[in-house]
Amino acid sequence: GNSVTQMEGPVTLSEEAFLTINCTYTATGYPSLFWYVQYPGEGLQLLLKATKADDKGSNKGFEATYRKETTSFHLEKGSVQVSDSAVYFCALSDKGVQGAQKLVFGQGTRLTINP
Amino acid sequence: DGGITQSPKYLFRKEGQNVTLSCEQNLNHDAMYWYRQDPGQGLRLIYYSQIVNDFQKGDIAEGYSVSREKKESFPLTVTSAQKNPTAFYLCASKLAVSNQPQHFGDGTRLSIL
Repeated sequence: GNSVTQMEGPVTLSEEAFLTINCTYTATGYPSLFWYVQYPGEGLQLLLKATKADDKGSNKGFEATYRKETTSFHLEKGSVQVSDSAVYFCALSDKGVQGAQKLVFGQGTRLTINP
Repeated sequence: DGGITQSPKYLFRKEGQNVTLSCEQNLNHDAMYWYRQDPGQGLRLIYYSQIVNDFQKGDIAEGYSVSREKKESFPLTVTSAQKNPTAFYLCASKLAVSNQPQHFGDGTRLSIL
């Protein structure tokens, strides 16, 4: 079945450092790919998405490019802030019964940014 | 403001009891989902529903039940058959249009007394 593997955390960086969180996937067909962010005690918020190969999703300084040849969707940010501290989830869309979209999630990567 | 409302935020259950978690959305979304999140793990799909009066089992449906009598509502019942119910439960919804993202509520944390 389809699956997502994320870089293991936790990740701790200093403010203004460069961030990469690796995400690779296994899928049949051409799923859409997503990054979600979860702040403490809250639900998930969509950070960015890409729906086809070579698409680049971007939001709030974060970027990720859908790489079909390497089956990857790595999350990057050039200069992180303390407010970026959260858990980040990579996910892909999968087809359920009657064509319903299901999401398959990676295990999440906890990011802590120190001032 | 449109959104997804989950209630209560914290819920405590005695062993042997059923409990129902509420999820309501006013986004006019067609599909709704329930996920379970355990510490340090990703989300696992419990049940999902694409239309009213129809729902499908996800990956970990045993010990749970749902109903979808209204488009806006998708309550989840954690039954006494669920042997390890302590977790964070998240509800999500989306438009039926392909490639649209799922939107999440703020979750309900269920604990066993």
